[in-house]
Amino acid sequence: DVKVTQSSRYLVKRTGEKVFLECVQDMDHENMFWYRQDPGLGLRLIYFSYDVKMKEKGDIPEGYSVSREKKERFSLILESASTNQTSMYLCASSLGGGPGRYQPQHFGDGTRLSIL
Amino acid sequence: DQQVKQNSPSLSVQEGRISILNCDYTNSMFDYFLWYKKYPAEGPTFLISISSIKDKNEDGRFTVFLNKSAKHLSLHIVPSQPGDSAVYFCAASAWLGNQFYFGTGTSLTVIP
Repeated sequence: DVKVTQSSRYLVKRTGEKVFLECVQDMDHENMFWYRQDPGLGLRLIYFSYDVKMKEKGDIPEGYSVSREKKERFSLILESASTNQTSMYLCASSLGGGPGRYQPQHFGDGTRLSIL
Repeated sequence: DQQVKQNSPSLSVQEGRISILNCDYTNSMFDYFLWYKKYPAEGPTFLISISSIKDKNEDGRFTVFLNKSAKHLSLHIVPSQPGDSAVYFCAASAWLGNQFYFGTGTSLTVIP
């Protein structure tokens, strides 16, 4: 079974802090994704990557950056946290063959991030 | 603008009956559709998928139907069980696109 592990289940940070969310997958998947889930808005894609050191913006990249130095690890960075970034953050991975199409994504259990 | 819509935020069904969850999309380029199930405090788990060359795909108690002309897909669960109580998300992707678009989810409650 694919295992996608997010480093924290719950995180509380202060406005203006730089925040790192880490995600590791153990199935040698090429593609990795970061989403945020908000009530009434579903899952919205922040960034994705389909190779080491490469990244592409999703629908809502503003205020975020990502890093993929190793195939198994994909980090989401909040450069200067703000209260509107309080959310559930979900990491996912999938096999390659392009940007994840025709391959289901496997999700981690999420990080609930609160910015005070 | 939401390209994938789930217009029913919640649904309650008696155990043993059929659950029908609906999803509409606006982008005619979408050609691959998935359903995910999400329990509280867990990430979504993949349930079933369908590509646009088919109009039906079955996996045990779960069947997904695709109506391309109406831009509509539905998930049927027969028979429904209490363990099916969860939030269900539909998602869609396009061949020329590079991401999945998710609906807002439908919370299903199966009453014993």
